[in-house]
Amino acid sequence: NAGVTQTPKFRVLKTGQSMTLLCAQDMNHEYMYWYRQDPGMGLRLIHYSVGEGTTAKGEVPDGYNVSRLKKQNFLLGLESAAPSQTSVYFCASSGGRNEQYFGPGTRLTVT
Amino acid sequence: AQRVTQPEKLLSVFKGAPVELKCNYSYSGSPELFWYVQYSRQRLQLLLRHISRESIKGFTADLNKGETSFHLKKPFAQEEDSAMYYCALSRTSGSRLTFGEGTQLTVNP
Repeated sequence: NAGVTQTPKFRVLKTGQSMTLLCAQDMNHEYMYWYRQDPGMGLRLIHYSVGEGTTAKGEVPDGYNVSRLKKQNFLLGLESAAPSQTSVYFCASSGGRNEQYFGPGTRLTVT
Repeated sequence: AQRVTQPEKLLSVFKGAPVELKCNYSYSGSPELFWYVQYSRQRLQLLLRHISRESIKGFTADLNKGETSFHLKKPFAQEEDSAMYYCALSRTSGSRLTFGEGTQLTVNP
């Protein structure tokens, strides 16, 4: 089992560019999450999904969109990147009200 | 709304010394509390959860509902304990976690 994987690992964008981060899990989990990690602010939930075809907003959803077309994949999109979106992005999945399994993270820099 | 606070951003101790990482929460219901750890260049992983009442890698944490705290303790710190530690809360219903700001623990030789 690969667990939770994320692509890409690193990315540099210019302001205004768009990109999509891909998260994949092979544990048949219903729940998937996207977080951003910033120094001194911990992990903040961007969007999450409680099942295939569903998405919901988290704490800091502005500037991001998500899609969960397949149960195993959860995509995070930035339509027009801003320097404030420079961060490390983590995807996670869980089978319910229990342990979340995290991906290795994507380091994004927006110049 | 629920909130998790970790008052220490940085904590430094010497090897063999006791260590306590503080976590306070605010939530009116019955929460489930977790500690997650992120070692250097690794992904976050669950260290322990309060309902398990386990000791993992020598760490323990007791949920104190009166003080709304879930402090992480270890009697004798080891250098390999150096990492970022996050306290997290799950509400009575649902699967979302609310994380604290994190505490970077450094154990010096």
